[in-house]
Amino acid sequence: GQNIDQPTEMTATEGAIVQINCTYQTSGFNGLFWYQQHAGEAPTFLSYNVLDGLEEKGRFSSFLSRSKGYSYLLLKELQMKDSASYLCAVGDSNYQLIWGAGTKLIIKP
Amino acid sequence: NAGVTQTPKFRVLKTGQSMTLLCAQDMNHEYMYWYRQDPGMGLRLIHYSVGEGTTAKGEVPDGYNVSRLNKREFSLRLESAAPSQTSVYFCASSPAEHQPQHFGDGTRLSIL
Repeated sequence: GQNIDQPTEMTATEGAIVQINCTYQTSGFNGLFWYQQHAGEAPTFLSYNVLDGLEEKGRFSSFLSRSKGYSYLLLKELQMKDSASYLCAVGDSNYQLIWGAGTKLIIKP
Repeated sequence: NAGVTQTPKFRVLKTGQSMTLLCAQDMNHEYMYWYRQDPGMGLRLIHYSVGEGTTAKGEVPDGYNVSRLNKREFSLRLESAAPSQTSVYFCASSPAEHQPQHFGDGTRLSIL
């Protein structure tokens, strides 16, 4: 079967760094996406990895290891506005996205 | 720039009633999708379309019908609503597969 695992909830301190992990088992692989979703709002695109390695975009970075079925999203210099759910999604062999349940990130002052 | 627009934003239905959720995008995207999001679960794909006049089933298609009216518009219809269909429904679009999807603000649907 197809499965994406992420921690349900994480807590971090304003100004710190947090790493959100995602492991996946899917039928085929056509890239891995990270989205941010604030409570009551729509998901918004953060990053896309299709090759192994680190993609950096400002305070956010995303890493992929296809051989390990593993990705992480790294958030630096955390701000209160980063409190949100972070969704991991993998493109499968049918070109559909398989979504994880999301990680709720709580930022404390 | 509107992006993806969904109507309505909220609706309460009684079991057995029907309704249509509307979605329109102004980004000239080929691909459009309907998802449902339930607490503790990932987004689940209901139906999708890879271009005008095409539709395909996703992971959870039962109880739903869709129409790709034209390139801009993709509707989702519940013919006979059931309490299990209480959810938040999101429409999304993308230029092609492997491209980031852009989401509408969602429709919060409660079925009593």
